[in-house]
Amino acid sequence: DTEVTQTPKHLVMGMTNKKSLKCEQHMGHRAMYWYKQKAKKPPELMFVYSYEKLSINESVPSRFSPECPNSSLLNLHLHALQPEDSALYLCASSQEGAVNEKLFFGSGTQLSVL
Amino acid sequence: GEDVEQSLFLSVREGDSSVINCTYTDSSSTYLYWYKQEPGAGLQLLTYIFSNMDMKQDQRLTVLLNKKDKHLSLRIADTQTGDSAIYFCAESGRTNAGKSTFGDGTTLTVKP
Repeated sequence: DTEVTQTPKHLVMGMTNKKSLKCEQHMGHRAMYWYKQKAKKPPELMFVYSYEKLSINESVPSRFSPECPNSSLLNLHLHALQPEDSALYLCASSQEGAVNEKLFFGSGTQLSVL
Repeated sequence: GEDVEQSLFLSVREGDSSVINCTYTDSSSTYLYWYKQEPGAGLQLLTYIFSNMDMKQDQRLTVLLNKKDKHLSLRIADTQTGDSAIYFCAESGRTNAGKSTFGDGTTLTVKP
């Protein structure tokens, strides 16, 4: 199994809603990532978990809250988002989160904030 | 900080070769990657090259690395309409451990 699975594929939420994005991989990878991607732009790193511990937070606003319940699962909890947060949210995994590692991406959740 | 640059657009005819170019600034880059993104999908790793290599070939894909000029290219032989996508160059190295720096992406359009 070389897949990273993300749910839901699409999400529409109001600015007062609370929602969660989910990501799962069964490749035995120990590093998992959240990226945000605007249309026609490269992905921007948000968070990195390595061995279930948060290792990188790229100064992301607190309305985004990551969680790594175990080595196969990664969640992104959303609360009080702004319309400018509308984007494609991509989850990725890699073997260990070391310097030189190949990233395996999911298909993403297309988020619209109204 | 680290920077990766690519030209934004490339258009070729089906059956021709495509060459997508990338330059980077981080001299400590040790791996360089090419990712492909089709509409509505995530990024897919196509190929990668270690910085002590000059060339890597994988079926229709050829990666050339000029480390002196910090220049990377991806050649796609016999380009097909299914190759139409955005291609991202990325690098990782000691100065950005745990992260990859991506270029802005090159949109490849293949015309029949």
